[in-house]
Amino acid sequence: KQEVTQIPAALSVPEGENLVLNCSFTDSAIYNLQWFRQDPGKGLTSLLLIQSSQREQTSGRLNASLDKSSGRSTLYIAASQPGDSATYLCAVTPRGSQGNLIFGKGTKLSVKP
Amino acid sequence: GAGVSQSPRYKVAKRGQDVALRCDPISGHVSLFWYQQALGQGPEFLTYFQNEAQLDKSGLPSDRFFAERPEGSVSTLKIQRTQQEDSAVYLCASSYPGTAKSEQYFGPGTRLTVT
Repeated sequence: KQEVTQIPAALSVPEGENLVLNCSFTDSAIYNLQWFRQDPGKGLTSLLLIQSSQREQTSGRLNASLDKSSGRSTLYIAASQPGDSATYLCAVTPRGSQGNLIFGKGTKLSVKP
Repeated sequence: GAGVSQSPRYKVAKRGQDVALRCDPISGHVSLFWYQQALGQGPEFLTYFQNEAQLDKSGLPSDRFFAERPEGSVSTLKIQRTQQEDSAVYLCASSYPGTAKSEQYFGPGTRLTVT
């Protein structure tokens, strides 16, 4: 059974720091991995989608990598800002599924001004 | 070009009441997913539709949960005889085309509180 783990559960950094969020998954048979952002009381905003054949994706200050063989992904945030404060979730689409996502519990990020 | 919308945004139900939660996917999106997110947890899959066909309902926690998408667009998640453990945020997502590799777009969710 696919399991997704995110470490750390919470992270507090001063503004301007670069930071890395970690995601691991137990079964490498996936179609893709997706990183989301969730603000309190809100839905999920898709940040980056990495297909299983890709190694990384970049969007602005965000860079996500995927090492399928070791079951790991990282989300790198450069020059963090207070507006980056949110919960970050990673999710995988298991190969052979209809597309339903398997999520980690998230990392709650707080960026202090 | 509106995104996925859900209504109501908040619902308080007394234990034993029936509730209906609505999802309006992005126009033209073939696939529609429902997820349940308990406090402090990641979302968990409930059910999946491709157009009007419910192809996977393996995540529905009990037979009190029922979902439909009769015309292949709007979907309703119904919970009968609500229990306190049903309290959660219910998220809807849609994607196009209808393949497992497609990116999913989420609505804001419905927060259900059962008292």
